[in-house]
Amino acid sequence: SQQGEEDPQALSIQEGENATMNCSYKTSINNLQWYRQNSGRGLVHLILIRSNEREKHSGRLRVTLDTSKKSSSLLITASRAADTASYFCATRTSGTYKYIFGTGTRLKVLA
Amino acid sequence: NAGVMQNPRHLVRRRGQEARLRCSPMKGHSHVYWYRQLPEEGLKFMVYLQKENIIDESGMPKERFSAEFPKEGPSILRIQQVVRGDSAAYFCASSPPGNNEKLFFGSGTQLSVL
Repeated sequence: SQQGEEDPQALSIQEGENATMNCSYKTSINNLQWYRQNSGRGLVHLILIRSNEREKHSGRLRVTLDTSKKSSSLLITASRAADTASYFCATRTSGTYKYIFGTGTRLKVLA
Repeated sequence: NAGVMQNPRHLVRRRGQEARLRCSPMKGHSHVYWYRQLPEEGLKFMVYLQKENIIDESGMPKERFSAEFPKEGPSILRIQQVVRGDSAAYFCASSPPGNNEKLFFGSGTQLSVL
């Protein structure tokens, strides 16, 4: 089974609103990353948060990490139609090299 | 500064044929990952390779699938005797030596098995 599980599976909001996506995982991790995928394309790295960090910002993105609950959230503020995409979290279990991706949240931002 | 290049972009095979998917990592990158994605699903890890070495193939089916990353040339994901269930998008990602924290993805190969 996948390490990461995002929720919601799908999210539809109006332009200008904030979008929040959550990711849960199962094992101890070195870091957690969020990626974006536009339809039919490869994934693009958005942001990385290490296991000893609790919050990180990058432009309109804000990521939090709660290792006690094994969960992370991605907040996109002031969303734009161009933010429409699928968003995935990825985790690397301590002691391994592979990244495990979650099932993704499909975000649709309506203009 | 070419990104990760995958070819072909689309590949159509009949059942029983072989599929060869190629991935040229970013310049200077020595780590390659292969992932598989079904429609509306996440990416499933298949294999992680460094130059000339398979480091982790825990996600590879035991039969028909193989991967290599030779000293020279692209990484190859090979699927022998394809079946309809192999139809999927196959993505390659690369990362530089000494730092595999951020993966750079190619645009994928869409494999369709008729």
